[in-house]
Amino acid sequence: DAGVIQSPRHEVTEMGQEVTLRCKPISGHNSLFWYRQTMMRGLELLIYFNNNVPIDDSGMPEDRFSAKMPNASFSTLKIQPSEPRDSAVYFCASRNRATGIQYFGAGTRLSVL
Amino acid sequence: TQLLEQSPQFLSIQEGENLTVYCNSSSVFSSLQWYRQEPGEGPVLLVTVVTGGEVKKLKRLTFQFGDARKDSSLHITAAQPGDTGLYLCAGAKETSYDKVIFGPGTSLSVIP
Repeated sequence: DAGVIQSPRHEVTEMGQEVTLRCKPISGHNSLFWYRQTMMRGLELLIYFNNNVPIDDSGMPEDRFSAKMPNASFSTLKIQPSEPRDSAVYFCASRNRATGIQYFGAGTRLSVL
Repeated sequence: TQLLEQSPQFLSIQEGENLTVYCNSSSVFSSLQWYRQEPGEGPVLLVTVVTGGEVKKLKRLTFQFGDARKDSSLHITAAQPGDTGLYLCAGAKETSYDKVIFGPGTSLSVIP
């Protein structure tokens, strides 16, 4: 299995632009998580889905952030408009609820100038 | 305020030395996980402990869950350069099994 696939690996954009991060979970996994990692705040859970349904989005910083999971094999995290303080590494993880093990992607490093 | 605290924040040791890193909380967790993250990669799960007082061994790594399920430790024997990375503990509460809360991590550097 290729594991959790995230794209792009790196994104540099200017303040005010829309940013879309993409994630393909491991086939057969029924939970998907979006995290953000910064030096100051560590690894924070933004939102997670079970069976494509958003369960808890209390970690989403503000309305500029939105996430969708239109099917079991794809999810997006969108920031519109982006701000410099959104600069971070964004991770997607998927999990088979039977085992409880989360598998992380390699992350997207976002820089908002 | 961090729900999970980790210490030390940074650790640099020589190859062959032993070390222990700690994960502490004032909250009770139903399970606790340890991850290792290498630069440019996502965290990788090392172990999950679920029973108070539980000890698990993974080659040179020994993990212990506190009796009260509020703290945990990771001991590495005869550290090797390949052990270098960020060690993260993460706890799950009984009331929210799906949500895992991560600690800030211990950055370990093992010098050859």
